[in-house]
Amino acid sequence: QQQVKQSPQSLIVQKGGISIINCAYENTAFDYFPWYQQFPGKGPALLIAIRPDVSEKKEGRFTISFNKSAKQFSLHIMDSQPGDSATYFCAASSTGGFKTIFGAGTRLFVKA
Amino acid sequence: EADIYQTPRYLVIGTGKKITLECSQTMGHDKMYWYQQDPGMELHLIHYSYGVNSTEKGDLSSESTVSRIRTEHFPLTLESARPSHTSQYLCASRVVGMQYFGPGTRLTVT
Repeated sequence: QQQVKQSPQSLIVQKGGISIINCAYENTAFDYFPWYQQFPGKGPALLIAIRPDVSEKKEGRFTISFNKSAKQFSLHIMDSQPGDSATYFCAASSTGGFKTIFGAGTRLFVKA
Repeated sequence: EADIYQTPRYLVIGTGKKITLECSQTMGHDKMYWYQQDPGMELHLIHYSYGVNSTEKGDLSSESTVSRIRTEHFPLTLESARPSHTSQYLCASRVVGMQYFGPGTRLTVT
């Protein structure tokens, strides 16, 4: 019940295309759903986050779609660029809790 | 934005040596974490702390130990390094639901 399942494991997208990464969770106590971006040799960096009272959040080319009834959320990267090539982690946490549960990661490669 | 500092950034050390990986944060966050990660792979929680003098083991069994004597400081110690400890170690702190990561320490044990 604590798991966050992330797919796909890896993704290759053409420059200018849309990258889509999906995550699913079980624990309905989660109330915060962030996405992290990690470049090789760096720590993960918070990219964008959403709370379950909102169905969509957009920041620039990055959009989170959230489906509370299905317990699923996804990251869409519009107009994908080679600089977006990185590993992306979805996560879930409860505000009053201690642990953040991370997905297994998606390695995105954007072809020029 | 939180500032999380980790030193050293890279460390190559021989088997059997004792090492301490340093982590500090300047934002006064109570919750701090250590993760182990092979490059580009899953994050494995090995220790966490919810304040001074409180530490807990994480989900991944680890031969390391941690201490939390000051809010801003959360060092990780390996008493006797082994080649199986070769990995990247990431420190993080958290406020509300947001977790902030340091740059990591890349450890190689020969």
